[in-house]
Amino acid sequence: GAVVSQHPSWVICKSGTSVKIECRSLDFQATTMFWYRQFPKQSLMLMATSNEGSKATYEQGVEKDKFLINHASLTLSTLTVTSAHPEDSSFYICSASIQGNEQYFGPGTRLTVT
Amino acid sequence: DQQVKQNSPSLSVQEGRISILNCDYTNSMFDYFLWYKKYPAEGPTFLISISSIKDKNEDGRFTVFLNKSAKHLSLHIVPSQPGDSAVYFCAATSSNTGKLIFGQGTTLQVKP
Repeated sequence: GAVVSQHPSWVICKSGTSVKIECRSLDFQATTMFWYRQFPKQSLMLMATSNEGSKATYEQGVEKDKFLINHASLTLSTLTVTSAHPEDSSFYICSASIQGNEQYFGPGTRLTVT
Repeated sequence: DQQVKQNSPSLSVQEGRISILNCDYTNSMFDYFLWYKKYPAEGPTFLISISSIKDKNEDGRFTVFLNKSAKHLSLHIVPSQPGDSAVYFCAATSSNTGKLIFGQGTTLQVKP
């Protein structure tokens, strides 16, 4: 149980375009979903926290107009990287929690902006 | 400000021996701690957790120890197996935020 999927698993896009990443909890309803970013050989950095039906809460330094998060249902959250630039190239990981402290992570999405 | 620190970027142990991964934290509000295992280009997989009201939690080959006074936790893997080779992240959270703060990770290599 507690499976989280992400789509796509990897994407290459041109600079200036937008990319949408989906995060789904497959066998449970997630009260909260989180989006992380990981640069090579670095820690996972929390970008934002989203609750179904409400606006996401962004961490300091994360541009909310650039990283649009939509949490339309208890099983789906999307992250849209708008006007992507090469410096946005990274590994994006979502997680979902039912309640309490444990989070279940998706497999991640590798974004490369050329 | 790195609230969760894993000061050893890498660790190499022989198969069958004990692996000890360490983690330090600075925020006294953290009350729940987790260890995750991660392979390259994959999401983290939950291993084991511990609440601040405990000082030890054991699950099979994995044991986590928490020293609240020292703000230190450690993950013991015994016996270590080659399949344990991965990056291990410790994470901490407080009940009032639910946010996980990750350490930098320690790459464990278990040699056959």
